[in-house]
Amino acid sequence: DAGITQSPRYKITETGRQVTLMCHQTWSHSYMFWYRQDLGHGLRLIYYSAAADITDKGEVPDGYVVSRSKTENFPLTLESATRSQTSVYFCASSLRGLGTEAFFGQGTRLTVV
Amino acid sequence: RKEVEQDPGPFNVPEGATVAFNCTYSNSASQSFFWYRQDCRKEPKLLMSVYSSGNEDGRFTAQLNRASQYISLLIRDSKLSDSATYLCVVNGRNTGFQKLVFGTGTRLLVSP
Repeated sequence: DAGITQSPRYKITETGRQVTLMCHQTWSHSYMFWYRQDLGHGLRLIYYSAAADITDKGEVPDGYVVSRSKTENFPLTLESATRSQTSVYFCASSLRGLGTEAFFGQGTRLTVV
Repeated sequence: RKEVEQDPGPFNVPEGATVAFNCTYSNSASQSFFWYRQDCRKEPKLLMSVYSSGNEDGRFTAQLNRASQYISLLIRDSKLSDSATYLCVVNGRNTGFQKLVFGTGTRLLVSP
C-alpha cells in the first residue's frame, strides 16, 4: 500500500528557476492538498483540489501553480522560485474533504539559493 | 492571537511517566479536532481524532473542552518511541473555505 508519495525528497534550485514538486496517491481520495511548513508557523495550505480538474487557492498561494488532470496526481509548480519559498512541502490527501483528517506524503525539502 | 496555540516545550520526561499537553483554539465554530504526531524531518501522522465525549487509544487519551476551547492529550507510561512533536489540529474556516489549522507543535522528549 504505497499511499501518498512525493518526489523529489530533496531539491536545491536557484532563484528564478521553475521547479515542480510531484505528488501521487494510490487511495483514490478526492481531496488533495499542498502545505508548506516553516519554523514558527504551523503547516499552511497553499492549494487544494476537490477532484480532478478542480483546484482552488489556500492561504498562501502566491508564486505557486497547481494542476490536477488525474485524480491520483497533484503537482505543485513554483513558477519563478524565490528564497522565501525555501521550505518543507507536504502533499496530503483526504477522503472526506476540507477540514477533515488528512494523510501526508513524506515531504519535499526545497532550498532556493 | 493565533488560531491554535500550543506550548512548544520541550517536555522532558522519564520513561514510564505520564505527560499531558493542552492546546487552545480561537474559533468557537470548530467542529473537528485532531492530534498528529510528527517525528523529526518526517511527515505529520494522524495520532487520533478528538471527540466531544473524549476518546482513548491504548496509552493515549484525548479530551475536548468546548466551553474553554481547548483540547488535551494525555500519554501514560511514556516510551522512548513517543519522543516526537505533537501537533494540535482544528478545523476552521478561511474566507470561503474550510481548512485544517495546525498548531506549531509541542515537543516531547522521553529519556531512559
